[in-house]
Amino acid sequence: GESVGLHLPTLSVQEGDNSIINCAYSNSASDYFIWYKQESGKGPQFIIDIRSNMDKRQGQRVTVLLNKTVKHLSLQIAATQPGDSAVYFCATSNQGGKLIFGQGTELSVKP
Amino acid sequence: DAMVIQNPRYQVTQFGKPVTLSCSQTLNHNVMYWYQQKSSQAPKLLFHYYDKDFNNEADTPDNFQSRRPNTSFCFLDIRSPGLGDAAMYLCATSREPTRGTQYFGPGTRLLVL
Repeated sequence: GESVGLHLPTLSVQEGDNSIINCAYSNSASDYFIWYKQESGKGPQFIIDIRSNMDKRQGQRVTVLLNKTVKHLSLQIAATQPGDSAVYFCATSNQGGKLIFGQGTELSVKP
Repeated sequence: DAMVIQNPRYQVTQFGKPVTLSCSQTLNHNVMYWYQQKSSQAPKLLFHYYDKDFNNEADTPDNFQSRRPNTSFCFLDIRSPGLGDAAMYLCATSREPTRGTQYFGPGTRLLVL
């Protein structure tokens, strides 16, 4: 069946370092990819998205990279801050619209 | 600011006692979703409304129902909550079901005693 997975359940980084969170997906028909940040006790917060006609998109301190050949998605956070500590979910969809979520990576930022 | 609002943020109910969770949005989005999220897991889609069209996920228990009386409001009704229904319930909206980014509310944490 269709699945979206993350390579590591937890990631610990030093404040100021760059963070890379990876995600693999299985459905080659996926054409929309999105990253959410979820802090404890809160709803998922949109970070950045990318469509399949692109392979890179940048936001403020975040970059999403898409490799459709190997069905891999990554989120890069530059100069990671304590406020970046959260669970990060990747999600994909195809033209059917339903989002398929990965299981989440917990990012911990050490001061 | 345009947003997705969920009330209450915390809800305690008794085993078997019906409970209703509410969601409202000021984004004027056509689609509203209800997700269930258990600890350390990804959100699980229960159902969604595209305007007034109701779309139930195949594995959503009959115990869960939803109402959308107008564009702005959507309700999740749990007819007979069991201990396994204790979870965070997330409401989300999107402009369109196939192309829209989903924006989530803060969630309602349900505790079943």
